[in-house]
Amino acid sequence: QVQLQQSGAELTKPGSSVKISCKASGYTFTSYDISWIKQRPGQALEWIGAINPGSGGTGYNEKFKGKATLTVDKSSSTAFMQLSSLTPEDTAVYYCAREQLRFDYWGQGVMVTVSS
Amino acid sequence: DTVLTQSPALAVSPGERVTISCRASESVSTLMHWYQQKPGQQPKLLIYLASNLESGVPARFSGSGSGTDFTLTIDPVEADDTATYYCQQSWNDPRTFGGGTKLELK
Repeated sequence: QVQLQQSGAELTKPGSSVKISCKASGYTFTSYDISWIKQRPGQALEWIGAINPGSGGTGYNEKFKGKATLTVDKSSSTAFMQLSSLTPEDTAVYYCAREQLRFDYWGQGVMVTVSS
Repeated sequence: DTVLTQSPALAVSPGERVTISCRASESVSTLMHWYQQKPGQQPKLLIYLASNLESGVPARFSGSGSGTDFTLTIDPVEADDTATYYCQQSWNDPRTFGGGTKLELK
């Protein structure tokens, strides 16, 4: 069965960076894009960007350019998102999701807390 | 960006029919999808491409619409349907989500 397993919660300080992972299983990793989605506490969902694991090609929401960097490791079927120059406004749950026009499978989410 | 507008909350009784609306600021053709999110869980895909039922989702859920106006219908509503429902478009970049409709049961 398709699964997206994300890394554990992160507690980080303002100005730092964090890299979270999303390990895919149960399907051909290079056949579907992986998107990343942000959800602040009690708020709606925001699309950050997407990566094509086969080509490494990326597309970003303009709002997150310079904030998020998406990469993949095909050998381990894992997608990564690095968030830089963290501020309290980056405190959120971050989801990865498999995309084929819609987001049909989601990871369990990673809580990133930015606090001094 | 394409703005998706949803009513913030609805309250219905079990067994009733409920419709949740989503209005787009510009046409998204039929590239509209619906998700259910329960507290502490990741969103779950219910309906894709406006009217297609995702595998494993009960037939009580249905979707309709095209262009700028879309509807998610649950008939009949069950207690387990208490959740927040989001619409999402993938016609225009960036992909965008509605603000969510919180469904409560009386």
